[in-house]
Amino acid sequence: AQSVTQLDSQVPVFEEAPVELRCNYSSSVSVYLFWYVQYPNQGLQLLLKYLSGSTLVKGINGFEAEFNKSQTSFHLRKPSVHISDTAEYFCAVTPSGGYQKVTFGTGTKLQVIP
Amino acid sequence: DSGVTQTPKHLITATGQRVTLRCSPRSGDLSVYWYQQSLDQGLQFLIQYYNGEERAKGNILERFSAQQFPDLHSELNLSSLELGDSALYFCASSVDQGYEQYFGPGTRLTVT
Repeated sequence: AQSVTQLDSQVPVFEEAPVELRCNYSSSVSVYLFWYVQYPNQGLQLLLKYLSGSTLVKGINGFEAEFNKSQTSFHLRKPSVHISDTAEYFCAVTPSGGYQKVTFGTGTKLQVIP
Repeated sequence: DSGVTQTPKHLITATGQRVTLRCSPRSGDLSVYWYQQSLDQGLQFLIQYYNGEERAKGNILERFSAQQFPDLHSELNLSSLELGDSALYFCASSVDQGYEQYFGPGTRLTVT
């Protein structure tokens, strides 16, 4: 079975500053990894995904994430945040190849301060 | 707009009652997932269906049940409701298990 750990439950950051949201996973097999974003009063939407290939993955809204197999991490980064990035971010993992349950982390609330 | 629809958007009911939440997946998606999101428990996976068959079960209470119909829409039934069942219930769909999921806008259930 796989698991996901999002160490930071809340991350405050000033507008236009860089941010990194941390995600570590545990799995005995190779994995697919996802980041989802949930804006207030909305459902989750996919930010980016890693299935295979380049370990640096670019997503929507200027976010990117780097898959690090040795560190079992998939941290999400943005070089300059905007007020509109205030939301909750969820990391998710599933064994590669599909056909398996997806496990979500507990979420990180990003608060962008003007 | 994810293409996943959920009804109703809001539901207020009393303890002990039974409710049904409905979800229509994106066109072409065979897999449907149900999640419960509350302030104290976070996002909890409840159950997953693929093309009408139950595929995976998470932290779903015995008072809760779900099904997926031949037209692929799904219903989540919650019975003998308790105050603690108040939460946002999300439905998501995907092409198949393990691929990116597309979430609906959710149903906010309030049990009084």
